[in-house]
Amino acid sequence: GNSVTQMEGPVTLSEEAFLTINCTYTATGYPSLFWYVQYPGEGLQLLLKATKADDKGSNKGFEATYRKETTSFHLEKGSVQVSDSAVYFCALSEGSSNTGKLIFGQGTTLQVKP
Amino acid sequence: GAGVSQSPSNKVTEKGKDVELRCDPISGHTALYWYRQSLGQGLEFLIYFQGNSAPDKSGLPSDRFSAERTGGSVSTLTIQRTQQEDSAVYLCASSLGGQRVEKLFFGSGTQLSVL
Repeated sequence: GNSVTQMEGPVTLSEEAFLTINCTYTATGYPSLFWYVQYPGEGLQLLLKATKADDKGSNKGFEATYRKETTSFHLEKGSVQVSDSAVYFCALSEGSSNTGKLIFGQGTTLQVKP
Repeated sequence: GAGVSQSPSNKVTEKGKDVELRCDPISGHTALYWYRQSLGQGLEFLIYFQGNSAPDKSGLPSDRFSAERTGGSVSTLTIQRTQQEDSAVYLCASSLGGQRVEKLFFGSGTQLSVL
């Protein structure tokens, strides 16, 4: 079945460091790919998405490129801030059916220290 | 309302009791989803409603779990004869049309603790 695997956390970085959170997926067809973020005390919210191969999603300085050849959607940011501390979830929506149902990874906690 | 609303925010119950969790989606959203977030785990899909179509119940972990959506709006997730392994945060989300590229809007969740 479809699945999403993320690198385990927590990831601890100093402010202004480069961030990569790895995400790989297994899916039939052509899924859409998403990153959701959960800030402390808040609900999950969409960070960025990509709907086809080689698309790049970007928002708030974060980027992720849909790589079909490596079945990956790694999240990157060039210079993290303390306010980026949160839990990040990679997710896919199945390409075989036109629904918004998402399959999520287990989440990666990011801690940014001043 | 402005966002997805869930109630209660916290629920403590005894093993074997039934619980009901409520979700008010964003007005006008036709799709509604329930997920479960256990400590240290990702989000586990439970059930999905889209308009008047039959719900996708493929994620419900056992027949103790059920959900309904009345009038295409409010949804209730019911867990019968709760077990300690049911302890988790139950999240509800809605989206405008249920299309696969759409953004999901999540509520803040119900923290369920089964003693």
